[in-house]
Amino acid sequence: RKEVEQDPGPFNVPEGATVAFNCTYSNSASQSFFWYRQDCRKEPKLLMSVYSSGNEDGRFTAQLNRASQYISLLIRDSKLSDSATYLCVVPEAAGNKLTFGGGTRVLVKP
Amino acid sequence: GAVVSQHPSRVICKSGTSVKIECRSLDFQATTMFWYRQFPKQSLMLMATSNEGSKATYEQGVEKDKFLINHASLTLSTLTVTSAHPEDSSFYICSAPGLGVMETQYFGPGTRLLVL
Repeated sequence: RKEVEQDPGPFNVPEGATVAFNCTYSNSASQSFFWYRQDCRKEPKLLMSVYSSGNEDGRFTAQLNRASQYISLLIRDSKLSDSATYLCVVPEAAGNKLTFGGGTRVLVKP
Repeated sequence: GAVVSQHPSRVICKSGTSVKIECRSLDFQATTMFWYRQFPKQSLMLMATSNEGSKATYEQGVEKDKFLINHASLTLSTLTVTSAHPEDSSFYICSAPGLGVMETQYFGPGTRLLVL
């Protein structure tokens, strides 16, 4: 089993709709989680951090389910500019090494 | 916020040549930096951890003699791809940890390498 696993998509989302997708992780000791956004041919950029049960920032909501070992990202009122690959990232329990999921591609269409 | 730069942003080279990529933390010091590689339609894969003043730590399957890492100062790490081949063509990204507990990392803009 991969350490961090994501549905690669693509998720084709009508503009204005809501989309949600999950990320499963294998290390039950993981304490913090991150969602990054990566545009084509660009570096990843931090979208949200998740330390406890969840986090909300505007149209974006991340939730953590420790029992089932997954985090989710929900995007409300999708904009065309939300089209990107969303990377689930889990730091090692000790140290600063990050493990990246394969990414979920989201395409928002008019 | 913290900024990490990379140079060059893009490089095209002939097979067999060596290419050096620089990663700089512009407004903070980084005793550790990370080098990743990303192939098309794949996620970032950690290649090595660069440690200031000591040897780099390489991930399994990454050849240390091919990917030379030097972390000579608290703001600069370099990755040299020696005797590059077409299969080394990829997007190379560095990152540096942020300050504070549970902080994430700051990524450089990446270097796109094409080996002909």
